[in-house]
Amino acid sequence: GIQVEQSPPDLILQEGANSTLRCNFSDSVNNLQWFHQNPWGQLINLFYIPSGTKQNGRLSATTVATERYSLLYISSSQTTDSGVYFCAVPYIQGAQKLVFGQGTRLTINP
Amino acid sequence: EAGVAQSPRYKIIEKRQSVAFWCNPISGHATLYWYQQILGQGPKLLIQFQNNGVVDDSQLPKDRFSAERLKGVDSTLKIQPAKLEDSAVYLCASTTVLSYNEQFFGPGTRLTVL
Repeated sequence: GIQVEQSPPDLILQEGANSTLRCNFSDSVNNLQWFHQNPWGQLINLFYIPSGTKQNGRLSATTVATERYSLLYISSSQTTDSGVYFCAVPYIQGAQKLVFGQGTRLTINP
Repeated sequence: EAGVAQSPRYKIIEKRQSVAFWCNPISGHATLYWYQQILGQGPKLLIQFQNNGVVDDSQLPKDRFSAERLKGVDSTLKIQPAKLEDSAVYLCASTTVLSYNEQFFGPGTRLTVL
């Protein structure tokens, strides 16, 4: 099955800073999701982005499927952005079962 | 539109006891998943249902875990007997082909086995 690696594992920033989180995957994908897990454990959908670029407010994501990576950008960070960010891709091409990376823990200090 | 519902939110049990979790997916979502998330790791799929049939249960420890989705809507996941290593958050998710299989997650059940 596919392997998913996220970097960095931990990121500590001051409020207002920008950040880039990376997700590398070992095989072709037709589905990629970014999630934010808040301190209460809820997984919140950020982006469904198998390819291309999407933006939602201060967040944007880019997936380059041919090079097997995706990037999540957070601009003008707020303390509420703190939490763990996961990317997830299908276990094998065409499957619905998702494989998650280990996550990036983001801490935004006031 | 209501999201994925799960209960209970928290559960503490002694090892060797049994426990059950409940999930109600988003209305109309035919596919339902149960994931286990151990502290510090990403979620791992336990079982996938399509309507009331099992699609994938390859990572479900069948000697102690069982799950059902009898009417193709809500689902229960049971652990009997529980072990210390079962302490985790159990997440339920659902999806539909109409949303390009984007998965939506419930709030999870945090299980502590003492």
